[in-house]
Amino acid sequence: AQKVTQAQTEISVVEKEDVTLDCVYETRDTTYYLFWYKQPPSGELVFLIRRNSFDEQNEISGRYSWNFQKSTSSFNFTITASQVVDSAVYFCALSEVTRSGGGADGLTFGKGTHLIIQP
Amino acid sequence: DAGVTQSPTHLIKTRGQQVTLRCSPKSGHDTVSWYQQALGQGPQFIFQYYEEEERQRGNFPDRFSGHQFPNYSSELNVNALLLGDSALYLCASSWTGMTEAFFGQGTRLTVV
Repeated sequence: AQKVTQAQTEISVVEKEDVTLDCVYETRDTTYYLFWYKQPPSGELVFLIRRNSFDEQNEISGRYSWNFQKSTSSFNFTITASQVVDSAVYFCALSEVTRSGGGADGLTFGKGTHLIIQP
Repeated sequence: DAGVTQSPTHLIKTRGQQVTLRCSPKSGHDTVSWYQQALGQGPQFIFQYYEEEERQRGNFPDRFSGHQFPNYSSELNVNALLLGDSALYLCASSWTGMTEAFFGQGTRLTVV
């Protein structure tokens, strides 16, 4: 069975601080995908990044960076120089690669981290 | 290009009633998944439809059923509603070979 744990329920920082959101996952599969999604108050989940289990390269996109460590089953997300617009709930998610044909497999989500950026 | 659209936006139903939620996938997408998100929780996978068939299912009772139409749009049906079914229901779409899903804004269902 798959499981995603986001131990930080809520984080509050002052604007321009760096902040890291933790994600730890469990799966018996050797091939899987990891994701981060952002959920603003409007409710729509916004895709941020996908990482394959066989690609442990870290990734940077502007102020966002992701650290994938297979040895510790972690996929952490760092926002550098945070801004008020970054305030949202962030979800880490996992999917297995079990099927041929069709699109993305069903995702297993963590409970989310509510990030509050204070001006 | 319209994204994933869901209707209605909000819905109030009485315990024991039945409800149907609708989803139109993003243009070019052929796979639709449904999720239930209770307040303060992460979304939970209900099921997925591809080629008009249920391809994958999460841990939800048979009261939850769905359908996919030839134009790839989808419906989620919930029978014998319980108070615990109150949640945000999210639809996500993707296309063959694509591993990331795009979500709609959801339908907020309240069961009273």
